[in-house]
Amino acid sequence: QKEVEQNSGPLSVPEGAIASLNCTYSDRGSQSFFWYRQYSGKSPELIMFIYSNGDKEDGRFTAQLNKASQYVSLLIRDSQPSDSATYLCAALPGGSYIPTFGRGTSLIVHP
Amino acid sequence: KAGVTQTPRYLIKTRGQQVTLSCSPISGHRSVSWYQQTPGQGLQFLFEYFSETQRNKGNFPGRFSGRQFSNSRSEMNVSTLELGDSALYLCASSSGGGYRVNTEAFFGQGTRLTVV
Repeated sequence: QKEVEQNSGPLSVPEGAIASLNCTYSDRGSQSFFWYRQYSGKSPELIMFIYSNGDKEDGRFTAQLNKASQYVSLLIRDSQPSDSATYLCAALPGGSYIPTFGRGTSLIVHP
Repeated sequence: KAGVTQTPRYLIKTRGQQVTLSCSPISGHRSVSWYQQTPGQGLQFLFEYFSETQRNKGNFPGRFSGRQFSNSRSEMNVSTLELGDSALYLCASSSGGGYRVNTEAFFGQGTRLTVV
């Protein structure tokens, strides 16, 4: 069973702080990883994807991938109340076109 | 560039009825995947179509079916609706090519189905 695990949260951080969201995956053959943000009642929005070990930065977002540890993380710097949402991690298993999604981590950024 | 369009946005149906949902992918994308999202189960994969063929299928009963047309638009049908089918149904569009290439999936706004 290929799984993606996330802590459901909620993760609560003050405005301006760094929010750190974590995700582990079971399939060692997974090559591509995605982070989606989903506001309540809305559809998931792709915010980051990463293929290679290391860090990938895009604005206030940094995705980190460690394939040896089967671990993906998303850092949100200078968190804003508008970042409050559920963040879904997804991994593309080896040889598959269908990503496996975690159940998401709820992030609350309080003023 | 237009995004993924799903219609209708909201539906209320009665148990036992059937329903058809539509998804128009991003222009040029040939892969359409369907997901069911509920608070208890999260995002669950239903099936994926690529070039009018069902390429992948999740673990849902045969009441859930789909198809894809030559213009890549896709429909999903649920027959004999049950109360438990109430959910947000999402479709995702991607180029569907080699799995390391342009496989990012973009979601439509979803169809909120309520079965009463």
